[in-house]
Amino acid sequence: SYELTQPPSVSVSPGQTARITCSGDALPKKYAYWYQQKSGQAPVLVIYEDNKRPSGIPERFSGSSSGTMATLTISGAQVEDEADYYCYSTDRSGNHRLFGGGTKLTV
Amino acid sequence: EVQLVQSGGGLVKPGGSLRLSCAASGFTFSSYSMTWVRQAPGKGLEWVSSISSISTYIYYADSVKGRFTISRDNAKNSLYLQMNSLRVEDTAVYYCARDVEVVPVAEYYLDYWGQGTLVTVSS
Repeated sequence: SYELTQPPSVSVSPGQTARITCSGDALPKKYAYWYQQKSGQAPVLVIYEDNKRPSGIPERFSGSSSGTMATLTISGAQVEDEADYYCYSTDRSGNHRLFGGGTKLTV
Repeated sequence: EVQLVQSGGGLVKPGGSLRLSCAASGFTFSSYSMTWVRQAPGKGLEWVSSISSISTYIYYADSVKGRFTISRDNAKNSLYLQMNSLRVEDTAVYYCARDVEVVPVAEYYLDYWGQGTLVTVSS
């Protein structure tokens, strides 16, 4: 079955750039989306359609995608960015959605 | 303001049934596909099921297919998840979420989420 693969954890110091990757065979033809989830809260969309930022999301959040890998970049990460981050996409049929396993970001 | 208010969680024995509800407001419910996502304790997010705006298309994850049924009542602005033959591994916080369609590629992502409701399957 199709999978999206993320590193379990990423750690950076405040002010540094954090990069979280997501790999999947269908990503060359499917958009990647990114969700931030803080402890005990519902997920929040931070990037959609590979690289678009919803209103209200700080400019330090950006996304890119090349080949089978999508990347979420947090430039100048802040302590409040500490959370779990999930990539999300669809399988080749477009009928099934899936999430990556999640990456715990420590700042 | 878009709001998704969930209800119906609780404790149920293995093999039992439970029905989750999600009441929508602040948008034209009948124009949007909707989705259920779950999260087992300490684990990641798992897509469960999605339903199109007028219930034409319905999809399930393999892990719940044949046991769960998604439905909606557009007159009541409500989404439902009927869960039968529940297993211990179905224990999770269940979220309802609104779909956004990405035209013209016919992909969907989730923009607004409910508050989540805990389902515990235990004897």
